[in-house]
Amino acid sequence: DTAVSQTPKYLVTQMGNDKSIKCEQNLGHDTMYWYKQDSKKFLKIMFSYNNKELIINETVPNRFSPKSPDKAHLNLHINSLELGDSAVYFCASSPPGTGYSPLHFGNGTRLTVT
Amino acid sequence: DAKTTQPPSMDCAEGRAANLPCNHSTISGNEYVYWYRQIHSQGPQYIIHGLKNNETNEMASLIITEDRKSSTLILPHATLRDTAVYYCIVNSGGSNYKLTFGKGTLLTVNP
Repeated sequence: DTAVSQTPKYLVTQMGNDKSIKCEQNLGHDTMYWYKQDSKKFLKIMFSYNNKELIINETVPNRFSPKSPDKAHLNLHINSLELGDSAVYFCASSPPGTGYSPLHFGNGTRLTVT
Repeated sequence: DAKTTQPPSMDCAEGRAANLPCNHSTISGNEYVYWYRQIHSQGPQYIIHGLKNNETNEMASLIITEDRKSSTLILPHATLRDTAVYYCIVNSGGSNYKLTFGKGTLLTVNP
């Protein structure tokens, strides 16, 4: 009964490939997010979606394209992978409200680009 | 959003209270103080948040000074499983609600 689940947990791929990471939440939340945690352990927001609409895009390269088929899912597709894309990617969700609601995070997808 | 300052690391003995400080001297009136933690290899976990009053839940207590320029997260009886990086975040919410994580404090609970 995992609240926010991401697949895969680990992803190893070569430069230039295209890959996707999937995220699903069963909490009934309206807003979902993607965060990136780099090798220095900084967590930075990439995107957020509210009811399938993009509301935050933090100057992420166009190679990254989030897709939200419904409000329970937010997938991240990455084209032409680069070495610098290696990181842990976290999906999160938050309930509807004033914007002060806590975020619920998944356990991350560790992407390694070789 | 206001910036926060936390010590990079702290130690605590198992069973004792862990008091984690956070400075947020530029906090504005509508900004909340959030605490999250990240246990190794896991996603961040929400702990508690508050605006001006002290807050307590099953995980921790949050003490916010009267001028709101600093706060302390208290884990009343730390266990080895509380070893984690603790993040103090100030956020105003709103339609562009997002949390910006800093470097946090690595709390190590020792047996």
